[in-house]
Amino acid sequence: KQEVTQIPAALSVPEGENLVLNCSFTDSAIYNLQWFRQDPGKGLTSLLLIQSSQREQTSGRLNASLDKSSGRSTLYIAASQPGDSATYLCAVGPYNFNKFYFGSGTKLNVKP
Amino acid sequence: GAGVSQTPSNKVTEKGKYVELRCDPISGHTALYWYRQSLGQGPEFLIYFQGTGAADDSGLPNDRFFAVRPEGSVSTLKIQRTERGDSAVYLCASSLGFPNEQFFGPGTRLTVL
Repeated sequence: KQEVTQIPAALSVPEGENLVLNCSFTDSAIYNLQWFRQDPGKGLTSLLLIQSSQREQTSGRLNASLDKSSGRSTLYIAASQPGDSATYLCAVGPYNFNKFYFGSGTKLNVKP
Repeated sequence: GAGVSQTPSNKVTEKGKYVELRCDPISGHTALYWYRQSLGQGPEFLIYFQGTGAADDSGLPNDRFFAVRPEGSVSTLKIQRTERGDSAVYLCASSLGFPNEQFFGPGTRLTVL
């Protein structure tokens, strides 16, 4: 079974800082990895999808990288803003199963 | 539709009752997923449909849970004899085939008293 871990569980930073969120997984045989944000009481919003053949994806101030061999992905947020405050979740789609495994998320607070 | 929709947004029921939760995926999306999310946790996979058939239902916790997607579009998650431990947010997602980018609905918050 795929195990997905996100560290740290919570992070508080001042506005303007660059930050990195981590996602690790135990089985490197994956289709893809997807990063989401979740606002309190809301559903998940897709941020970036990285296919297993890719090393990174970028969207605006967000950059996600994937290192399958080490079982890691990072989400880099540049010049953080208070509006970035949310919980960030990663989900891994493994080859052997028709399902996605989620981490528990990193709760980010960007202070004005 | 413009996005994935789920109804109701909130459902309060008594222990032992039957509930149905509905998911309307993005038009044209063949893959549909149900997840359950408890407070402070990531979503936990329940079941995945490809078209009308359940391709993987290994995440359903027991036989009180059942889901259908009779016409390959709207799906209903059915829970019989609800228990307090079933209280959670039930999330639905769809994608253009598997395992492409998933798009989530806002969820249904189920509370079993």
